[in-house]
Amino acid sequence: AQTVTQSQPEMSVQEAETVTLSCTYDTSESDYYLFWYKQPPSRQMILVIRQEAYKQQNATENRFSVNFQKAAKSFSLKISDSQLGDAAMYFCAYMNNNAGNMLTFGGGTRLMVKP
Amino acid sequence: AAGVIQSPRHLIKEKRETATLKCYPIPRHDTVYWYQQGPGQDPQFLISFYEKMQSDKGSIPDRFSAQQFSDYHSELNMSSLELGDSALYFCASSPQDRGPYEQYFGPGTRLTVT
Repeated sequence: AQTVTQSQPEMSVQEAETVTLSCTYDTSESDYYLFWYKQPPSRQMILVIRQEAYKQQNATENRFSVNFQKAAKSFSLKISDSQLGDAAMYFCAYMNNNAGNMLTFGGGTRLMVKP
Repeated sequence: AAGVIQSPRHLIKEKRETATLKCYPIPRHDTVYWYQQGPGQDPQFLISFYEKMQSDKGSIPDRFSAQQFSDYHSELNMSSLELGDSALYFCASSPQDRGPYEQYFGPGTRLTVT
């Protein structure tokens, strides 16, 4: 079974600074997808960024970028120029088409942004 | 842009009662997923449907059942409710022409069992 691990229960960052959230996963598959979801206090799950495992290039979405290390099974999220609105719970998630299209989530990292 | 709609947003039930949660996917999305997020937990996959057929099944209790209707909306039926069923229930939808990886989540239904 696939597992996703987020080793940082909480992180804090100063506004306008950069922060990196860590995620590791375990799988024997070679073709899969990885995601970062943001869950603000409203509890809405918002897709931040996704990475296809077959792509070597790291995904980027505005201030959000990932460092995907396939051999190390590592998928970290970097948030640049942090804003107060970035404060939320961040979940790393894995999906493998061969094992069904469900998302397997990590335990989450709570990000606090200090003004 | 249209989003996934879930109703009701909040629901309070007593133990042993039944509950029905509804999900209306984004237009032209033919796949629906249900997730359960307990207090302080990460979301756990329950069940999914593609073109009105069950496609995958996760850790869904036998007391729960779900289906997808001809208009693609889905309902999660929960019977003999237990205190441990108190959670946030998410529905997500995805469009077939962009693969299963683009899952868009609804706002969730918060179920409280007393």
